[in-house]
Amino acid sequence: GQSLEQPSEVTAVEGAIVQINCTYQTSGFYGLSWYQQHDGGAPTFLSYNGLDGLEETGRFSSFLSRSDSYGYLLLQELQMKDSASYFCASHTDKLIFGTGTRLQVFP
Amino acid sequence: DTGVSQNPRHKITKRGQNVTFRCDPISEHNRLYWYRQTLGQGPEFLTYFQNEAQLEKSRLLSDRFSAERPKGSFSTLEIQRTEQGDSAMYLCASSLGAQGRTEAFFGQGTRLTVV
Repeated sequence: GQSLEQPSEVTAVEGAIVQINCTYQTSGFYGLSWYQQHDGGAPTFLSYNGLDGLEETGRFSSFLSRSDSYGYLLLQELQMKDSASYFCASHTDKLIFGTGTRLQVFP
Repeated sequence: DTGVSQNPRHKITKRGQNVTFRCDPISEHNRLYWYRQTLGQGPEFLTYFQNEAQLEKSRLLSDRFSAERPKGSFSTLEIQRTEQGDSAMYLCASSLGAQGRTEAFFGQGTRLTVV
């Protein structure tokens, strides 16, 4: 089967940097995506890594290491509005989501 | 195009009743996914379609669940003889393919409450 594990919760203060890790076990892997979901909202796409290395999109960066079956999402200059749940998702023949990490940003 | 649309947004049903949800994906998207999400959990894969073909159904899904995507356009998810454990948010997502940098767009979901 396929599984993606994430820490359940992370807390940080405004302006800080936080890293959310994701380890996966999957076959036929193409890449790893990250999604953000605010309470009561739908998941929305943040980033995708198809190759090893770092992808940067504004305050958010995502990293992938295929050899370690590991990736992370890095959020910089945290803002209150970043408080949400974050999911990694593996791209195989379908899209499978991780367990999710709830990020709470405090003032 | 207004994105992925799901109807109804909320459904309350009595245990044992059948319910059907509808998803209208983004028009040019050939991939359509159904997920189930409970509080504090990630979207749990239920099934997916490539155009009108249902390519996989989760082994965790009982035979009470069925999905269709006639003509490769909208999709329906039916749950027969609902149980209280079926209470959850049912999410639909669509994408253009699956390989590479393919962003999945989600609908707002249908929240099912079985009483």
